[in-house]
Amino acid sequence: AQSVAQPEDQVNVAEGNPLTVKCTYSVSGNPYLFWYVQYPNRGLQFLLKYITGDNLVKGSYGFEAEFNKSQTSFHLKKPSALVSDSALYFCAVRDRRNYGGSQGNLIFGKGTKLSVKP
Amino acid sequence: NAGVTQTPKFQVLKTGQSMTLQCAQDMNHNSMYWYRQDPGMGLRLIYYSASEGTTDKGEVPNGYNVSRLNKREFSLRLESAAPSQTSVYFCASSVQNERGDTEAFFGQGTRLTVV
Repeated sequence: AQSVAQPEDQVNVAEGNPLTVKCTYSVSGNPYLFWYVQYPNRGLQFLLKYITGDNLVKGSYGFEAEFNKSQTSFHLKKPSALVSDSALYFCAVRDRRNYGGSQGNLIFGKGTKLSVKP
Repeated sequence: NAGVTQTPKFQVLKTGQSMTLQCAQDMNHNSMYWYRQDPGMGLRLIYYSASEGTTDKGEVPNGYNVSRLNKREFSLRLESAAPSQTSVYFCASSVQNERGDTEAFFGQGTRLTVV
């Protein structure tokens, strides 16, 4: 079965410092990996995805994520955090091999609340 | 650009009442989804529709029904609401291709309270 773990409920960072939001996954086959962000009282917005190729993926708002197959991780990073980055971040996975029907749909982690202080 | 539109944004129901959550997308996407979001639980898939006329159960389908009315619209119905269905409901859509590598676009959510 597919699963996603975000081990930190909350990450606190000072503005200007680098940030990392952690994500590990478990799938039977090869994964498609996604990061979404949710601002208060809003829907989820797509940030970036890993499909294949370069393990470092760049996305919206200066975020990037590194796919590590041996560690089954896909951590979200940003070199310099902004107060406006404060939000709830979700990692999601889809197993390529099981695509189709409900088994092939996105499985989300529980979310990590990022708080960036001035 | 409307994207994915959900109605209503807020709703309070009494236990046993029924209601339908509406969702429409204008991006010509094949696939549509209903998720619920609960604190500490992330998003859990309720139902999924790969294309017009097809629906599949997700992780938590009990107590819900869906209708894919046409390519644009995908509704979620609670026949007899229960307090356990108090949640925030999100509709989403995506392009469907054979690889499954496309991202989903989400609506703004419906905050439902069942008392």
